Amino acid sequence: DAKTTQPTSMDCAEGRAANLPCNHSTISGNEYVYWYRQIHSQGPQYIIHGLKNNETNEMASLIITEDRKSSTLILPHATLRDTAVYYCIVRVGTGGFKTIFGAGTRLFVKA
Amino acid sequence: EAGVAQSPRYKIIEKRQSVAFWCNPISGHATLYWYQQILGQGPKLLIQFQNNGVVDDSQLPKDRFSAERLKGVDSTLKIQPAKLEDSAVYLCASSLGLAGVYEQYFGPGTRLTVT
Repeated sequence: DAKTTQPTSMDCAEGRAANLPCNHSTISGNEYVYWYRQIHSQGPQYIIHGLKNNETNEMASLIITEDRKSSTLILPHATLRDTAVYYCIVRVGTGGFKTIFGAGTRLFVKA
Repeated sequence: EAGVAQSPRYKIIEKRQSVAFWCNPISGHATLYWYQQILGQGPKLLIQFQNNGVVDDSQLPKDRFSAERLKGVDSTLKIQPAKLEDSAVYLCASSLGLAGVYEQYFGPGTRLTVT
């Protein structure tokens, strides 16, 4: 599975959009990009995933570049409760099974 | 829909003692994962089951760690004997299947402290 690179930490003002980048330059054609987040003392929570197209759900939007070498998770209106560690990972769509978490990005949402 | 259940939530033991953790996945989920998360790090996959068979245990320290998933539902992870470096949160997760198209759902974890 491809390796991902994320900034160690980011700040965001409450009510503003939080844009979390992820680099996955070695991604293969059949690997999905996943985002999870982990709020203090809880298990990771699934946010969103995508293969090629941009995706949106009730939590966030995922923007994947055309060459698929990077992506951005967008939280449109960040709240204090969005303060967490955000993990970007890639997983093979079929046949593969290993999930490798990096250190993630620690997002601080400030009032 | 009930989530992934884990017990106990907290455990404190002395080194060289044994400990066991239990996980009940979401109903209907064929794939079950155990992760170890050391403070300040991302989760590290220890073992992965598809129904009651092991599909990956390459990161499991087999000299002291063991896991089973009898009947393809609940799972237990055991450490015997524990070492100080085993202090971590042990997370259980489940998904509908193995493939990367299926998201994983995590339990709250068991925080283990080895003294």
